[in-house]
Amino acid sequence: EAGVAQSPRYKIIEKRQSVAFWCNPISGHATLYWYQQILGQGPKLLIQFQNNGVVDDSQLPKDRFSAERLKGVDSTLKIQPAKLEDSAVYLCASSHGRGQNTEAFFGQGTRLTVV
Amino acid sequence: DQQVKQNSPSLSVQEGRISILNCDYTNSMFDYFLWYKKYPAEGPTFLISISSIKDKNEDGRFTVFLNKSAKHLSLHIVPSQPGDSAVYFCAARISGSARQLTFGSGTQLTVLP
Repeated sequence: EAGVAQSPRYKIIEKRQSVAFWCNPISGHATLYWYQQILGQGPKLLIQFQNNGVVDDSQLPKDRFSAERLKGVDSTLKIQPAKLEDSAVYLCASSHGRGQNTEAFFGQGTRLTVV
Repeated sequence: DQQVKQNSPSLSVQEGRISILNCDYTNSMFDYFLWYKKYPAEGPTFLISISSIKDKNEDGRFTVFLNKSAKHLSLHIVPSQPGDSAVYFCAARISGSARQLTFGSGTQLTVLP
């Protein structure tokens, strides 16, 4: 079974530029998550999709971050304009969403450096 | 407000000995707990989980203990191996339609040969 695919692996941009990350979840997984992991901290949920609908985006800085999951499969996360404090690893995860307790499977992440 | 806390940022253990990683939580609504392991430049991988209806779950060398009254859980690795060296994240969830995970800040485990 193929895992969660993310691209790019690394990205360096200047502040005020825009950037986009892409995620392809495990086939058949209805739930998709975007997490932000700042160095020395645990992953923090930015947004959760169930199919192509948003379940939770309460911690997404909506003035600069946006995400979409067209057709309920792939997803993109965009930052515009980027700030220095956005430097982090952006992790995408997916789960099949069925049943009471299912673990999330993570991609390798995209390491963003804003200079 | 950190709802899931891992107060030890790092832990060093000799190969063959027991590693004990600790995690505390404040939200009494959490009823499902997971441990993830993360190697450098990789995403977290699921290790073991426990439901609040249990106080222990074992999988090979890994055992997770849950003390609901103390809002505390721990991960025991016996015996520890150098390949276990990684960052370990504790995560918690409130079962229901949302099912998102709240993570602790992680503990870097180093197993010395």
